[in-house]
Amino acid sequence: QKEVEQDPGPLSVPEGAIVSLNCTYSNSAFQYFMWYRQYSRKGPELLMYTYSSGNKEDGRFTAQVDKSSKYISLFIRDSQPSDSATYLCAINNFGNEKLTFGTGTRLTIIP
Amino acid sequence: EAGVTQSPTHLIKTRGQQATLRCSPISGHTSVYWYQQALGLGLQFLLWYDEGEERNRGNFPPRFSGRQFPNYSSELNVNALELEDSALYLCASSSGTTGYEQYFGPGTRLTVT
Repeated sequence: QKEVEQDPGPLSVPEGAIVSLNCTYSNSAFQYFMWYRQYSRKGPELLMYTYSSGNKEDGRFTAQVDKSSKYISLFIRDSQPSDSATYLCAINNFGNEKLTFGTGTRLTIIP
Repeated sequence: EAGVTQSPTHLIKTRGQQATLRCSPISGHTSVYWYQQALGLGLQFLLWYDEGEERNRGNFPPRFSGRQFPNYSSELNVNALELEDSALYLCASSSGTTGYEQYFGPGTRLTVT
């Protein structure tokens, strides 16, 4: 079983829609949860990180963590064509500093 | 503030050769990480350097090695290149106290022919 599972998509939604991106993980020891955005042929860009169950909001982005279900989500409100990218979840065990990534979900926002 | 920089942008080598990739972290960051992003395999952790020492390495053979210099920049060396080493090699940096908050550079695309 992979440590982090992520639906690879691709996912296409119309502009303005709410997007939901999800990952599951297997090791309950993981403590930090990150979301990265990667445009084609670029390095990943850190969007958000959180370390507790619940929601964390930053503008149009909301990260949600449910540690009891080992489930993390990223919601994008009022999606824009510029949001079209691959979204990667990553998890970390404090003190290890190695990030374990999901395979990424390719998202396309249709104007 | 300048981000993480990597050089070269592209590198083409033949099988059996050695490749050297370079990374400069964000100013003030002491930790440098290397990841490999191969097609279909996702981002895989390679190496972590902090304060000049190798702190952790991923499940890669010893021909993948590196070092961190006193100015915290880093070098990744790949010896005896194989075709499957073709990938995007990404460097990230973080401060010493928030290792989960890693910022990535644009990557070096290595092609082995």
